Amino acid sequence: GAGVSQTPSNKVTEKGKYVELRCDPISGHTALYWYRQSLGQGPEFLIYFQGTGAADDSGLPNDRFFAVRPEGSVSTLKIQRTERGDSAVYLCASSLDGGNSPLHFGNGTRLTVT
Amino acid sequence: DQQVKQNSPSLSVQEGRISILNCDYTNSMFDYFLWYKKYPAEGPTFLISISSIKDKNEDGRFTVFLNKSAKHLSLHIVPSQPGDSAVYFCAARTYGQNFVFGPGTRLSVLP
Repeated sequence: GAGVSQTPSNKVTEKGKYVELRCDPISGHTALYWYRQSLGQGPEFLIYFQGTGAADDSGLPNDRFFAVRPEGSVSTLKIQRTERGDSAVYLCASSLDGGNSPLHFGNGTRLTVT
Repeated sequence: DQQVKQNSPSLSVQEGRISILNCDYTNSMFDYFLWYKKYPAEGPTFLISISSIKDKNEDGRFTVFLNKSAKHLSLHIVPSQPGDSAVYFCAARTYGQNFVFGPGTRLSVLP
């Protein structure tokens, strides 16, 4: 079946602009996670949804970052007033139920802020 | 404060030999552990997992060992193949919480 889909695959934006990154999880997966990864580092947790609600948003770095999952499926990560330090690969993952089931990742969105 | 550590940034092994990747963690509440493989420009791919009630899990060429008293897990790949060359991440979680990833180890399998 289809895996986790992330769009766009690449996004270049100017400092100060607003961006939206989209994630389509595996059908039937109730848990959805956002991570970001910088070069040479492991994925860094941002936010985790169980269904429509954010179960844990402790990884969002500041109030410029926001994510939604209004119908419990597709999620959008929104970044306001982008800064050069936001440049990274943003990874989305889903899991069957948020319990002891593995994360399945998409290929990520590479965000470059110029 | 890194809760999941992979102290070897890189590892080279000869094709056909065993690759051993190591991971240490500090949070004794972690109860589920996973290994991922990542190729460039792709997302991490799930390899194998182990829950804290076990000390070993095997899947084909991949075996994960968990030593809870030492807060240490390892991934064994045998025999290693050139296609195994990738960055490997270990990850851990406490039930109901997010997954914490290590910084990764780059494995090179030499033909």
